[in-house]
Amino acid sequence: EAQTVESGGGLVQPGGSLKLSCAASGFIFSSFWMSWVRQAPGKGLEWVASIKQDGSERYYVDSVKGRFIISRDNARHSQYLQMTGLSVDDTAVYYCARGVNNFRYWGQGTLVTVSS
Amino acid sequence: DIQMTQSPSSLSASVGDRVTITCQASQDISKLLNWYQHKPGRAPNLLIYDASKLETGVPSRFSGTGSGTDFTFTINGLQPEDFATYYCQQFDSLPRTFGPGTTVDIK
Repeated sequence: EAQTVESGGGLVQPGGSLKLSCAASGFIFSSFWMSWVRQAPGKGLEWVASIKQDGSERYYVDSVKGRFIISRDNARHSQYLQMTGLSVDDTAVYYCARGVNNFRYWGQGTLVTVSS
Repeated sequence: DIQMTQSPSSLSASVGDRVTITCQASQDISKLLNWYQHKPGRAPNLLIYDASKLETGVPSRFSGTGSGTDFTFTINGLQPEDFATYYCQQFDSLPRTFGPGTTVDIK
């Protein structure tokens, strides 16, 4: 069964950095776009970033451009989200999802809290 | 960016009811729309893709229609496990955008 498992969330001060990881299994990881989607407390779902199968294309929501970097390691069946310049507005549960059109498989999410 | 709106933002319903949620896109997105179910503490779940196609393993009481800018999501015969928040999402263009969600709770 296809699944993704996120890790790396935690408490970080404003301006700080954090790197999220997502381990995928149950599907041919290198054949799929991968994405990050987040949900701030009490808010809806927000697409954050997506990366093509070979990493040659990466796209971001405007609010994280220049601060977040999405990457992947196909040999490790993993994707990552390097987050810098974090603000309280980045506080959210971050989900790893397979795909860029239809988000067919999601992890349980990892909570990122930005607070002083 | 394509803006997605949903109506209503919340509704109360009883088991067995028919529930209808509408989603509107700010521009024509053809049939490039998905519907998700999300329960607190759980991973979101894709129910309908390409506006009207039922995802594998999803009960047939869920359905979707529409194209262009106006879409409808229906649950025929609400079940106890269906109480959740439902989101539409467009994939016509980047950034991918979700509707604000519709919470279905117990009357």
